[in-house]
Amino acid sequence: TQLLEQSPQFLSIQEGENLTVYCNSSSVFSSLQWYRQEPGEGPVLLVTVVTGGEVKKLKRLTFQFGDARKDSSLHITAAQPGDTGLYLCAANFGNEKLTFGTGTRLTIIP
Amino acid sequence: EAQVTQNPRYLITVTGKKLTVTCSQNMNHEYMSWYRQDPGLGLRQIYYSMNVEVTDKGDVPEGYKVSRKEKRNFPLILESPSPNQTSLYFCASSSPINSPLHFGNGTRLTVT
Repeated sequence: TQLLEQSPQFLSIQEGENLTVYCNSSSVFSSLQWYRQEPGEGPVLLVTVVTGGEVKKLKRLTFQFGDARKDSSLHITAAQPGDTGLYLCAANFGNEKLTFGTGTRLTIIP
Repeated sequence: EAQVTQNPRYLITVTGKKLTVTCSQNMNHEYMSWYRQDPGLGLRQIYYSMNVEVTDKGDVPEGYKVSRKEKRNFPLILESPSPNQTSLYFCASSSPINSPLHFGNGTRLTVT
């Protein structure tokens, strides 16, 4: 069973600060997705990365796929209260299944 | 509007009383899946379906049943619920498989 580890599990920072969360595995992914989940709602896709070394930007969010395709990171610049939520990575290891990480719960303090 | 609709949003029941959580999607997606979300454990897959009449076990299928008689519907059935099935449940769909998932808003189930 492939495992996805996300770190940190919890993160609480002040508005305006920068942060990075991580998603790691001992196995190679064929693709990786990042989702954000807000209270009372289902996860919503932020981005999909498929190429080793790929970097994608979504406004203040920067997503990177590791060269070895075993890790990914999400960097948020100048965090805002609207960024608060549970961030989930989900990897495809070359089969039919999408495996989810345990998530990083982010709180931005105004 | 493209969406995945789950019902009910909240459900409190007692041990052993059969229940069904419905899931419907209006995007003509082939792939549908059920997950449960528990603190510290993330999203774990219960069952999934690649298409009509095709279902397979996920990581935690014990105590659950599903059916896929129509493309748009994928109900989750608990024949004899137990307290350890208290959880937040999500239905999701995509097309093709391994494409980004569209999730419903969840069903919070409490079994006493």
